[in-house]
Amino acid sequence: QVQLQESGPGLVKPSETLSLTCTVSGGSFSSTSHYWGWIRQPPGKGLEWIGSFFYNGNTYYNPSLKSRVTVSVDRSRNQFSLSLASVTGADTAVYYCARHTYGVGLDYWGQGTLVTVTS
Amino acid sequence: DIQMTQSPSTLSASVGDRVTITCRASQSISSWLAWYQQKPGEAPNLLIYKASNLESGVPSRFSGSESGTEFTLTINSLQPDDFATYYCQQYSNFPWTFGQGTKVEIE
Repeated sequence: QVQLQESGPGLVKPSETLSLTCTVSGGSFSSTSHYWGWIRQPPGKGLEWIGSFFYNGNTYYNPSLKSRVTVSVDRSRNQFSLSLASVTGADTAVYYCARHTYGVGLDYWGQGTLVTVTS
Repeated sequence: DIQMTQSPSTLSASVGDRVTITCRASQSISSWLAWYQQKPGEAPNLLIYKASNLESGVPSRFSGSESGTEFTLTINSLQPDDFATYYCQQYSNFPWTFGQGTKVEIE
């Protein structure tokens, strides 16, 4: 059974960098069938895809965030990370990590972690 | 970016009702569309993939269909556990995009 768990600070100051880690169990980053990535949801609002990576190292980002986002992977720890620079209040959201199976969709999600941008 | 226009934004219904939610893509996405259910405080849960395929473990009262760029999620005989928010998502092209969501409320 695949499990994903987000971790990281719940509070970030404006203009600083938001950093989150997703720890994966039961899944492999070497699979040619899966993307791994991040989705966020501001309080009371809808879902926004942030970015994902594929087994070959290719990464894909939402153009609306691309200049500020980096998704990276630590295969030795079975973790991947999100870095979002220069945050503002608009970046306050629940951040989810998730697995996308090719041809299927986002089939496994973490429980989500709320990050609040506040001074 | 491909825009996903979902309607209605809110839907009031009763237990036993048949409910239909629509999602329209701004361009062709073939059948690369998924539907998710989200309950308060929880992560979304995949219901339907590739427009009409039922994810394992999802009750058969949920079904999906497509006609061109219009996609439909139908819930037959609405159950108390189905009151939630539903999202469509296209995964044909990056950036993957979601509909705005449909909240199914108790009438």
